[in-house]
Amino acid sequence: SQELEQSPQSLIVQEGKNLTINCTSSKTLYGLYWYKQKYGEGLIFLMMLQKGGEEKSHEKITAKLDEKKQQSSLHITASQPSHAGIYLCGAPETDSWGKLQFGAGTQVVVTP
Amino acid sequence: EAGVTQFPSHSVIEKGQTVTLRCDPISGHDNLYWYRRVMGKEIKFLLHFVKESKQDESGMPNNRFLAERTGGTYSTLKVQPAELEDSGVYFCASSLQFWSPLHFGNGTRLTVT
Repeated sequence: SQELEQSPQSLIVQEGKNLTINCTSSKTLYGLYWYKQKYGEGLIFLMMLQKGGEEKSHEKITAKLDEKKQQSSLHITASQPSHAGIYLCGAPETDSWGKLQFGAGTQVVVTP
Repeated sequence: EAGVTQFPSHSVIEKGQTVTLRCDPISGHDNLYWYRRVMGKEIKFLLHFVKESKQDESGMPNNRFLAERTGGTYSTLKVQPAELEDSGVYFCASSLQFWSPLHFGNGTRLTVT
């Protein structure tokens, strides 16, 4: 089965600084989701990437999908306290878009 | 638009008891999914409904778990009898089309003692 490895497992960033999270798959990526979770809450949908080379941005968050490298990256520019939480990548198995394999998550802490 | 709603938010039961989790998807979403996260593990797929039909239940761990979606609206996930290893957070998600983004609920935290 497909495995997703996220790096780093956790990171602490000073407010205003940039950060990048990576998600690497053991198999071909047919697409990729990025979610954010705060403690005790559900997963908040951030972005869905469907094609190799695709890049999407929303506010200060940018995600890219590199099919050749079987990897996706999530970049946050000028981090704010609201960016703190656990970021999860999820990849569909073949063409079953709802059946996702998730990574273990990256915990982001933003300090003043 | 109301999001995916799950009830209860927390449940503590003893080993051998029965628990039923409920999920109300976003109105109009035919696709409904159950996932769970057990301690220290990644979130894992359990099953997928399309309306009232089970499309894929390959992630269901064993026959102690029973999911239903009567009428194609809300869904229930029953665990009977519960075991210690069933403890974790159970998430429900829904989507409009099978290729649409999944929207998750806040989850039900199940503790089996």
